[in-house]
Amino acid sequence: NAGVMQNPRHLVRRRGQEARLRCSPMKGHSHVYWYRQLPEEGLKFMVYLQKENIIDESGMPKERFSAEFPKEGPSILRIQQVVRGDSAAYFCASSIRQGVGRTDTQYFGPGTRLTVL
Amino acid sequence: AQSVSQHNHHVILSEAASLELGCNYSYGGTVNLFWYVQYPGQHLQLLLKYFSGDPLVKGIKGFEAEFIKSKFSFNLRKPSVQWSDTAEYFCAVGSGGYQKVTFGIGTKLQVIP
Repeated sequence: NAGVMQNPRHLVRRRGQEARLRCSPMKGHSHVYWYRQLPEEGLKFMVYLQKENIIDESGMPKERFSAEFPKEGPSILRIQQVVRGDSAAYFCASSIRQGVGRTDTQYFGPGTRLTVL
Repeated sequence: AQSVSQHNHHVILSEAASLELGCNYSYGGTVNLFWYVQYPGQHLQLLLKYFSGDPLVKGIKGFEAEFIKSKFSFNLRKPSVQWSDTAEYFCAVGSGGYQKVTFGIGTKLQVIP
């Protein structure tokens, strides 16, 4: 039973290039979350998606960042025109609905470490 | 908006010492609480969670946490730590029914043999 998969594990980009981070949720999970982890800052929520829907993107920077979770295939976090400040670890998590009134338990992938040169 | 505060950012303990990591949250409604652990170079793993019922929650690897509603706290404990517990520990809170989870800044635990 595969867990949450993320690829690539390490990604190096030069300033101005695009970064595409992929996340395949656990089997049966239809909810995906993206987080950014910076040293000494903990995990910061970015976006919460269900299949073909963005539910909450309150943590996404207004420009250059976008996310999708298509009907088929992995969820994609896309960063256009990367800058040095985008260097971080990006984690994806997935969940299955626990039911009304409960926060789903999120299961995390291994992360993608993005380095912008 | 909910927030999570972890008081100790770095903790150093000798093997066999007892551990207590503090976690306080601010949210007035129904909360769901989580502790995650991140071993060096690895992804976050769920240690334990609280939804309702018995406020003393037992998790994996001998960890437990106690939900004290009046203190808005969910402290993590382990009676006797091992070197293999060296990791970063994150407390997280979700408001019941809402899926956005807020994480604390994390506590780095170093256990000295």
